[in-house]
Amino acid sequence: AQKVTQAQTEISVVEKEDVTLDCVYETRDTTYYLFWYKQPPSGELVFLIRRNSFDEQNEISGRYSWNFQKSTSSFNFTITASQVVDSAVYFCALSEEASGSRLTFGEGTQLTVNP
Amino acid sequence: DTAVSQTPKYLVTQMGNDKSIKCEQNLGHDTMYWYKQDSKKFLKIMFSYNNKELIINETVPNRFSPKSPDKAHLNLHINSLELGDSAVYFCASSQVWTSKAFFGQGTRLTVV
Repeated sequence: AQKVTQAQTEISVVEKEDVTLDCVYETRDTTYYLFWYKQPPSGELVFLIRRNSFDEQNEISGRYSWNFQKSTSSFNFTITASQVVDSAVYFCALSEEASGSRLTFGEGTQLTVNP
Repeated sequence: DTAVSQTPKYLVTQMGNDKSIKCEQNLGHDTMYWYKQDSKKFLKIMFSYNNKELIINETVPNRFSPKSPDKAHLNLHINSLELGDSAVYFCASSQVWTSKAFFGQGTRLTVV
């Protein structure tokens, strides 16, 4: 069975600090996809990144970067030089071939960036 | 041009009522979903349809019935609403299981 764990329920930082959101997943499948979604206070779910299980290259997009390590089943998300607008709930999610099209979400991490 | 749109955005109703939430996607995707987000922000899949065919039906009370009249629409009908049904319901769509899901803006259902 697939499972995603985001151990950090809440994180609070001061603007311009770097922050890393942890994500650990469990799956028996060799083919799977990992995702990060952002849910700002307005409530919508915004896609951030998708990574497949065969691509362990780290990715950087502006101030955002992702570290995928199969050896530790982790897909961590780092925001560099955080801004107040980064305040949101961030969800890590897993989709595996054996389970069809469902996304299994972690519990989410509430990030608060204070000015 | 909203990719995935749900109506209504807010729904307040009394216990025992029957209500529907509508969802439409204009992305040409084959797969549509309903997710429920509870008060603790936990997101869980309820249903998934692929080309109008039900492919995922999680452990959901049978008071919840999805209906997909065509590939672009997936509606959620809820009978005999209970207080515990209060949540935010998200519709989503994707092309295949490997691709990212596009979510609607959510429907906040409050049962009083």
